[in-house]
Amino acid sequence: AQSVSQHNHHVILSEAASLELGCNYSYGGTVNLFWYVQYPGQHLQLLLKYFSGDPLVKGIKGFEAEFIKSKFSFNLRKPSVQWSDTAEYFCAVITILTGGGNKLTFGTGTQLKVEL
Amino acid sequence: DTGVSQDPRHKITKRGQNVTFRCDPISEHNRLYWYRQTLGQGPEFLTYFQNEAQLEKSRLLSDRFSAERPKGSFSTLEIQRTEQGDSAMYLCASSRDPQGTEQYFGPGTRLTVT
Repeated sequence: AQSVSQHNHHVILSEAASLELGCNYSYGGTVNLFWYVQYPGQHLQLLLKYFSGDPLVKGIKGFEAEFIKSKFSFNLRKPSVQWSDTAEYFCAVITILTGGGNKLTFGTGTQLKVEL
Repeated sequence: DTGVSQDPRHKITKRGQNVTFRCDPISEHNRLYWYRQTLGQGPEFLTYFQNEAQLEKSRLLSDRFSAERPKGSFSTLEIQRTEQGDSAMYLCASSRDPQGTEQYFGPGTRLTVT
């Protein structure tokens, strides 16, 4: 079964610092990868996704992620974080289900706190 | 799009009671998913509907859990004889495109079993 692991459970940064959150996936074949974000009190929102093509994926709010197949990684980056980026970040991989649907398998999440 | 809505947002129940949650997906989304999220963990897949058909169930979904989507629109998730281990956030998501790859999540129902 496909899985993802996030090794940083809690990250604290100062505003304007650069961010990189690690995500490693287990499956060696074709993968579809996602980063979701959950701001305090809000629902999960899609930040960005990778299906194929350019391994550097741009998302919303200045986030990007790089798919490195040789390292089984899909790390999330942002050059300069803001206080409003304080949230929990989840990496996820898709598994195709019967009938054309799919399920998301999430990592355990990284809680990011940005201090002023 | 008004987004995925879930009701109630919070539910406190005593052990042994039955509870039912409702999910209203984004209109015209034919795929609907239920996930469960416990503290310190990412969401875990429970079950999936394509229209009214329940096509996949996780082994996490014990016999006490049942989900329906009778008319292919809203869905309900019922837990019978609740246990303290059922305490969690129950999330609903829906998707539209043929691959169903982008899922839109609702705010969740937080269940506390006392």
